[in-house]
Amino acid sequence: GQQLNQSPQSMFIQEGEDVSMNCTSSSIFNTWLWYKQDPGEGPVLLIALYKAGELTSNGRLTAQFGITRKDSFLNISASIPSDVGIYFCAGVNFGNEKLTFGTGTRLTIIP
Amino acid sequence: DAGITQSPRHKVTETGTPVTLRCHQTENHRYMYWYRQDPGHGLRLIHYSYGVKDTDKGEVSDGYSVSRSKTEDFLLTLESATSSQTSVYFCAIRAEGLGANVLTFGAGSRLTVL
Repeated sequence: GQQLNQSPQSMFIQEGEDVSMNCTSSSIFNTWLWYKQDPGEGPVLLIALYKAGELTSNGRLTAQFGITRKDSFLNISASIPSDVGIYFCAGVNFGNEKLTFGTGTRLTIIP
Repeated sequence: DAGITQSPRHKVTETGTPVTLRCHQTENHRYMYWYRQDPGHGLRLIHYSYGVKDTDKGEVSDGYSVSRSKTEDFLLTLESATSSQTSVYFCAIRAEGLGANVLTFGAGSRLTVL
């Protein structure tokens, strides 16, 4: 089945650093979603994007819907310890019941 | 909490035994999904349901069956568990209308097949 290419696979950063990750697809989507998963929990929605070129923020998180509709980006500014976890992108089209997920970016903060 | 619970949260079983995982929602959503999560693979769709008694296969459905006899419950069954089915299983629900493409996930069920 199709999966999205998400990069990087893992990141090791220091507290206070900014983080950037992205997700690319060979096909277009008209909705992009970003989820975060804490250890031992299910993924939780961070940001939903519904329009090409859209830039949406949620606190220190900012996500963008790529203009080609084949990619999306997530930035985290001034990282804090609770940002640790796995970040997933997901793409879906209207009328399609199934989301396609990326393989995840694991974020670790080095003390 | 979004009103979605999974049970059991942890289970250890032996190869060849049947296993049923339960997903229960209190949101009255039509769509329910079962995913498995494995290192390096992210979330892969096993089966989903779009209404009572209406189900369809996902990308990794072999070895799994599902049933939805009530809106609130979506059951995932492994008829004869294998070690390759050791995984963390997530149920998800989806609303319709505004924000229709957004899934809300349960906390997961960790299954170990020995």
